[in-house]
Amino acid sequence: GAVVSQHPSRVICKSGTSVKIECRSLDFQATTMFWYRQFPKQSLMLMATSNEGSKATYEQGVEKDKFLINHASLTLSTLTVTSAHPEDSSFYICSASSLENSYEQYFGPGTRLTVT
Amino acid sequence: GQNIDQPTEMTATEGAIVQINCTYQTSGFNGLFWYQQHAGEAPTFLSYNVLDGLEEKGRFSSFLSRSKGYSYLLLKELQMKDSASYLCAVSDSNYQLIWGAGTKLIIKP
Repeated sequence: GAVVSQHPSRVICKSGTSVKIECRSLDFQATTMFWYRQFPKQSLMLMATSNEGSKATYEQGVEKDKFLINHASLTLSTLTVTSAHPEDSSFYICSASSLENSYEQYFGPGTRLTVT
Repeated sequence: GQNIDQPTEMTATEGAIVQINCTYQTSGFNGLFWYQQHAGEAPTFLSYNVLDGLEEKGRFSSFLSRSKGYSYLLLKELQMKDSASYLCAVSDSNYQLIWGAGTKLIIKP
């Protein structure tokens, strides 16, 4: 149980375009979803926390208008990188926690974004 | 501020035992996690400690001392596939995970 999927696993886009990444909890209801970004050889950086049906809470320094997060249902959250630039190239990982096990986060496999 | 410290890199020999330490200073404590992360992949859950003591799970064990703000991950009978980064993370008073930078473990034959 507790499987989280992400789509796409890899995406290459041109500078100035927008990219949407989906995060789904497959067999549980994810009351909270987290979006992380990871640069090579660095730890995960929390970008935002989202609860179903409410606005995401962004970490300091993360641009809300650039990284749009939507948590429309208990099984789906999306991260849209708007007007992507090469410096947005990174590994984006989502995780989800349920009401029953709020202390544990289940991670998706990650999405490698490359902006050319 | 909140801080998680763990060594940047460690090297060990196949078949041996290695201990990866983690010290933390956080606002509140709701448990400590160890994750394994292979290059280019997302982290995978290894262990969770919320009470003091040792939790054993196969070849991996994790220890916690809340009074000392200290944990370690013990890996026995090392295999080449154990080469990875090991991330220590603490759940703070808001149940947010505070991450260490990870320890890159290199296993040599």
